Amino acid sequence: DTGVSQDPRHKITKRGQNVTFRCDPISEHNRLYWYRQTLGQGPEFLTYFQNEAQLEKSRLLSDRFSAERPKGSFSTLEIQRTEQGDSAMYLCASSRRGYGAYEQYFGPGTRLTVT
Amino acid sequence: AQTVTQSQPEMSVQEAETVTLSCTYDTSESDYYLFWYKQPPSRQMILVIRQEAYKQQNATENRFSVNFQKAAKSFSLKISDSQLGDAAMYFCAYRKPNAGGTSYGKLTFGQGTILTVHP
Repeated sequence: DTGVSQDPRHKITKRGQNVTFRCDPISEHNRLYWYRQTLGQGPEFLTYFQNEAQLEKSRLLSDRFSAERPKGSFSTLEIQRTEQGDSAMYLCASSRRGYGAYEQYFGPGTRLTVT
Repeated sequence: AQTVTQSQPEMSVQEAETVTLSCTYDTSESDYYLFWYKQPPSRQMILVIRQEAYKQQNATENRFSVNFQKAAKSFSLKISDSQLGDAAMYFCAYRKPNAGGTSYGKLTFGQGTILTVHP
């Protein structure tokens, strides 16, 4: 069973540049989540997809952030006009649909450094 | 809004000993799920244990068990017979049930507790 994968694992960019991250969930999972984690803190929710529909966005997700999940498979998270405050680990997680305490499986994350 | 608090930034334990990590949460919901996740250094987060709020029995997974006190909104993790591989950042997390509406997928995490295991 292939886990959640994220690409790239590390990204260094200059302030003002645009960056895009990709997440490939576990194949049978139809729910996909993006979280942001700053150093020494717990992850914070950014957005959530069920299939291709984006069902919720956090207030943390400013208008510079956009996420897509075309065809309900992989997802991309784009940050436009990056700022130093965007430096963080961006985590993707996926889960199956259903009721109950189903597990969210996390990817290894993409570490973004904005210089 | 739900909040999760882990008041112990760091904990340490001797190998083979027992350690308890604390977590408190705030919610107005009567039904929800609680989780402990482990994040080893430079490795991805994995689920350690989960608890459904409607279950009175505390969850147990091998050496890991929880003490769930619903009235006190407390959810502590006990690690027995600690091993070197248990060293990691541990996060307590909360999730609303899938009863429709919004926010029924996202996890709300605490700040984390760094666990060091001494040989």
